Parts: sequence; structure tokens; C-alpha cells
Amino acid sequence: GEDVEQSLFLSVREGDSSVINCTYTDSSSTYLYWYKQEPGAGLQLLTYIFSNMDMKQDQRLTVLLNKKDKHLSLRIADTQTGDSAIYFCADGTGANNLFFGTGTRLTVIP
Amino acid sequence: GAVVSQHPSRVICKSGTSVKIECRSLDFQATTMFWYRQFPKQSLMLMATSNEGSKATYEQGVEKDKFLINHASLTLSTLTVTSAHPEDSSFYICSARAGTQSVLDTQYFGPGTRLTVL
Repeated sequence: GEDVEQSLFLSVREGDSSVINCTYTDSSSTYLYWYKQEPGAGLQLLTYIFSNMDMKQDQRLTVLLNKKDKHLSLRIADTQTGDSAIYFCADGTGANNLFFGTGTRLTVIP
Repeated sequence: GAVVSQHPSRVICKSGTSVKIECRSLDFQATTMFWYRQFPKQSLMLMATSNEGSKATYEQGVEKDKFLINHASLTLSTLTVTSAHPEDSSFYICSARAGTQSVLDTQYFGPGTRLTVL
């Protein structure tokens, strides 16, 4: 089945940029998503990217997709303490299920 | 954006009892709802997919007689954990999707329900 992997932890200083990486195995992926989960809460959709796009920017968030290497990244500019959370990448084909990565716990140090 | 609610947010029950968790899409009609289970510090594992008015499709390894799913309307799905045991303690999250073919058919997630079985 689909395998989506992320590094488990990332620490950055407030004001720096954060880059969270994700690799996936399904070459037929149509959409790739980034979700944020705060403690004790459900998942909040942050952004998504079509598989035929290389980059998408949305305010402080930049998503880069390297389809050849099946590598997805999320860059958060000017990281704030409120950005501390677990970030999940997810691979989906729209009509079918989402396959979630293991999640990356981002800690922002004041 | 689309809002999905879950009720209750937290429940503690005794072993052997049944617990019902509700998932509602508040401002859109959800043709499909998903139920996930999340263990501490782990990713979400899909349990089942349900389409309004039809039987849920369960993932391999998920007991359909233990986790009863009902999707009776376009805004409500329920998950009933029957004869709950301590190993069923987990964080249950539902998601809802309006359609099936468009990029806008994203899954919107509820806030989750923390189930603790004593």
C-alpha cells in the first residue's frame, strides 16, 4: 500500500523559517495536502497542491512538490509560537482515501 | 471554511458499555464521511468510509460489528463502539467530504473525541 513518511520532530527559533519534509510512494497521487493538528484537536487543512504543480504559496506557507522524487515540503516563513503543532502530509486522489504521514511535531522556541 | 463538529469531545466509560460518537457537517452536505482512529503520537488510521444512505466500507482489520457506523443523513454520521474495552481507548476523528470529483472535495476534519474505557 501507500507509504507516506515524515521526520518526527523539528525545532526552530521564533522568526526563523521551518521546513517540514514528506516523501510518498504512490505515483498516481492527484492531490497532496498539509494538515495541522494542535494538542487535543482534530486536523485543520492548511493547504493542498495539485500533482501537476511544482509550487504553491499562500501567505507564510510555501509548498514545494518534486513529483519525480515524490518529495513534498512545507515551508513556514517567520515561524511563530502559535505554529507549534503536529503537521501531517497526506496523499490523496480526490475520490479515494487519504494516506497520512506519521506527522512532524514542530516546536517553536521563543 | 467548512465546519465539522463531533460530540462528545471526551467520554469516559466502563468496560462492556457502548458509546456513540456523533459527527456533523454544519454548513455543507457531506456525501461521504470518514472515521479515523489516532493512537498517541501516531498518525491517523482510517477505520471506515461511509456514504449517506448506504453501508459503511470498513478497512481491513476493523471489526464492523464492534464499530457500528450509521450515515443516515447528509449532515450526520455516528460511530458506536459496542462493548467497549480498554484497548478501544483512543482519539477518534471524523471527517466529511462534500463531493467526490473536485479538488474542492477535501476532507474537513472534526475536532476529535477522546474515548477512555476503564
